[in-house]
Amino acid sequence: EIVLTQSPGTLSLSPGERGTLSCRASQSVGSSYFAWYQQKPGQAPRLLIYSASSRATGVPDRFSGSGSGTDFTLTISRLEPEDFAVYYCQQYGTSLTFGGGTKVEVK
Amino acid sequence: QVHLVQSATEVKKPGASVKVSCKASGYNFSSHGITWVRQAPGQGLEWLGWISASNANRRSAQKFQGRVTMTTDTYTSTAYMELRGLRSDDTAMYYCARSKYPLRPFEYWGLGTQVTVSS
Repeated sequence: EIVLTQSPGTLSLSPGERGTLSCRASQSVGSSYFAWYQQKPGQAPRLLIYSASSRATGVPDRFSGSGSGTDFTLTISRLEPEDFAVYYCQQYGTSLTFGGGTKVEVK
Repeated sequence: QVHLVQSATEVKKPGASVKVSCKASGYNFSSHGITWVRQAPGQGLEWLGWISASNANRRSAQKFQGRVTMTTDTYTSTAYMELRGLRSDDTAMYYCARSKYPLRPFEYWGLGTQVTVSS
């Protein structure tokens, strides 16, 4: 099973700042098979990015994804108040696994 | 638009079984599959498996093989997930999500069904 390790566990930022979230896989994942989700309390996850860098429908362009192999990144260019949430990475190339999450909180 | 409506909260005793439903609307049910994901309290997401709504092909996570059964009813556009031999660590929110193929990202999710296992 591919294990996904997200860092940092918690990211403390102010609105307007740039956020960079990382996800490292225990073995190589095809770049076409990597996604990012946002989850707010009491809600189901929301798909942000698929195929490592493609934005899902309706996702603002301040969200961008990059990476390949074992290292992937989600960047939020300028944090809006509604962006404070937990973010999960997902690989779906070999079975399907999620990372443990990064909480983006208000500094 | 796509809606996935899940069944209500369940409270079960250890060793029992639970069956969660997921009723789909807003799309051709048979043209997609349904994935099941769970989330224990304060924890991350865990994939249980996927079932095709057209031919009942299934794929499940190795951890749950033999303990989970996924089915669909195309007449009512409803998917079901049954988990047997419940333990306290099965306490979680169980989500269904639409997924055309077994290993794909999920754009449409249900709101979740809380399953609590307690003696």
